[in-house]
Amino acid sequence: QVQLQESGPGLVTPSETLSLTCTVSGGSVSSDSHYWSWIRQPPGKGLEWIGYIGYTGSTNYNPSLKSRLTISVDTSKNQFSLRLSSVTAADTAIYYCARRGLVWEFDYWGQGAVVTVSS
Amino acid sequence: SYELTQPPSVSVSPGQTASITCSGDKLGEKYACWYQQRPGQSPLLVIYQDGKRPSGIPERFSGSNSGNTATLTISETQAMDEADYYCQTWDSTTVVFGGGTKLTVL
Repeated sequence: QVQLQESGPGLVTPSETLSLTCTVSGGSVSSDSHYWSWIRQPPGKGLEWIGYIGYTGSTNYNPSLKSRLTISVDTSKNQFSLRLSSVTAADTAIYYCARRGLVWEFDYWGQGAVVTVSS
Repeated sequence: SYELTQPPSVSVSPGQTASITCSGDKLGEKYACWYQQRPGQSPLLVIYQDGKRPSGIPERFSGSNSGNTATLTISETQAMDEADYYCQTWDSTTVVFGGGTKLTVL
């Protein structure tokens, strides 16, 4: 059974960089059949796709976040990470990591990490 | 940019059939997925590739996709089905989610 677990600070200061890591168990980030993704959900709102990375390190980002976003993968630790720079209160959300399959479905999700941007 | 439109809310009586729609330009030419999200929980994939059910999802959940509309159908709706439901597809290499529909089982 594939499991994903987000980790990182729950509070980030405005203008700083938000950093989260997703640790994968029961599966491998080196799989050529899956992409490793970040999705967020602001309080009381819907889901917003952030971006994904493949095992080769190839990435695809939401155009609205692209200028501030970096997603990376560490195959030795079976982890992938998110860095979002210059954060504002609008970046306050639950951040989920998820596995994306070949027909673009997100079949496994982490439990979510609550991140608040506040001074 | 590509958009998916869902009704904000749908109500259904227990034991009846609920239908939740998701509209997008030529959506039927793409694959659609559906997720269930109960309060305080992570989203759960209930339908992928228009109408396929992942292992463990009850047969009561079904999906279809044609023209500009994808539809999630829940037959014999139960109280435990009360949740937010999101449709999802992709455009070029961008993932797109619908705004979500709150299903209320009255």
